[in-house]
Amino acid sequence: GAVVSQHPSRVICKSGTSVKIECRSLDFQATTMFWYRQFPKQSLMLMATSNEGSKATYEQGVEKDKFLINHASLTLSTLTVTSAHPEDSSFYICSAAGTKNQPQHFGDGTRLSIL
Amino acid sequence: DAKTTQPTSMDCAEGRAANLPCNHSTISGNEYVYWYRQIHSQGPQYIIHGLKNNETNEMASLIITEDRKSSTLILPHATLRDTAVYYCIVRGYSGNTPLVFGKGTRLSVIA
Repeated sequence: GAVVSQHPSRVICKSGTSVKIECRSLDFQATTMFWYRQFPKQSLMLMATSNEGSKATYEQGVEKDKFLINHASLTLSTLTVTSAHPEDSSFYICSAAGTKNQPQHFGDGTRLSIL
Repeated sequence: DAKTTQPTSMDCAEGRAANLPCNHSTISGNEYVYWYRQIHSQGPQYIIHGLKNNETNEMASLIITEDRKSSTLILPHATLRDTAVYYCIVRGYSGNTPLVFGKGTRLSVIA
């Protein structure tokens, strides 16, 4: 079945550090990928839609200059949390679908902890 | 996207069928019902989806009422590994449209 790989699975770093998270579709091409954030005991919240070859679309309240998204190829989207602070600590998850007839599949998430 | 309503939590005895209900009374004609689950500290896992006919796969069965205003996900023989939060999501049939997650149902399978 369709597989979405996310890396790294866990990051612990100091405040002020920038962190890059990769999301790859392993056996299909994805023109669109999605980035979500999940705080403890809450549901997934959509952050942005990543479009291959064009700018990402951000949800209201998500700072595009802080959460940089790059979708340079049909199999890779990256999310960079710039100058991360403790309040950015969260579980970040990506998803992708190959074609409109395929259900979306999710990566295993990245747990980001900012000290 | 149409909203869905699910019970906050449910318990199920191991080996028994788990029946998870979902109400989606405002679903429109071109919207599908998707079910995902999230096991603790993992990304959501796709289970099944359907439009109006009942569907079955190796994981579960999906029963959609004739008026499409509600559905039930059935795990025929629940195991401890099925303990998770189950999300019912209504969405148009397009991979380019994001999934909007509600609070889901926390299913606890008990030995």
